[in-house]
Amino acid sequence: NAGVTQTPKFQVLKTGQSMTLQCAQDMNHEYMSWYRQDPGMGLRLIHYSVGAGITDQGEVPNGYNVSRSTTEDFPLRLLSAAPSQTSVYFCASSYSRLASTGELFFGEGSRLTVL
Amino acid sequence: GNSVTQMEGPVTLSEEAFLTINCTYTATGYPSLFWYVQYPGEGLQLLLKATKADDKGSNKGFEATYRKETTSFHLEKGSVQVSDSAVYFCALSDRNFNKFYFGSGTKLNVKP
Repeated sequence: NAGVTQTPKFQVLKTGQSMTLQCAQDMNHEYMSWYRQDPGMGLRLIHYSVGAGITDQGEVPNGYNVSRSTTEDFPLRLLSAAPSQTSVYFCASSYSRLASTGELFFGEGSRLTVL
Repeated sequence: GNSVTQMEGPVTLSEEAFLTINCTYTATGYPSLFWYVQYPGEGLQLLLKATKADDKGSNKGFEATYRKETTSFHLEKGSVQVSDSAVYFCALSDRNFNKFYFGSGTKLNVKP
């Protein structure tokens, strides 16, 4: 049972570099989302998607791009990394609104450091 | 706007002690409320939830009651175990379960 899989688990970037955090789920969930976790601030929503081809912004979307071409995958792109994007990133998925109980299923996280 | 405030940690207790972690919220409309738990090196997992006022969520000996009049959702457990050591997050969602707002987390350490 893979659940929600995030790669890579650890990444170090230099300021200005670009990268993509991958997220895949095998539960046929329509809803997927990205959060960042910073000390003392809990988790903050970056972007979310309610289905293939549909994305929307969360609380802190600046500096991040997403797309949803398949139900299974929801990559998060940093086009020009900044030190302020140093964080732990979590991908989470859930059933569609009509079927949802509100439970989010989280990946194990990706720790990103931007120098 | 929506926000969640929870007590700062860490909280250190002896095994079998009573646990309370306070959580209050600000929300528009009728949010659902959740407690998530994060064990070391893992992602968050749902502990319990309540979707309307006066509902009580419970799981693994933990309980929390949705109090609309005090905008609170405090987490309680009568007798904690070492295995309960983790970080606990209070959260709320909009009615569509699209946007979740998390508190800053409270780290619980339980000593034998």
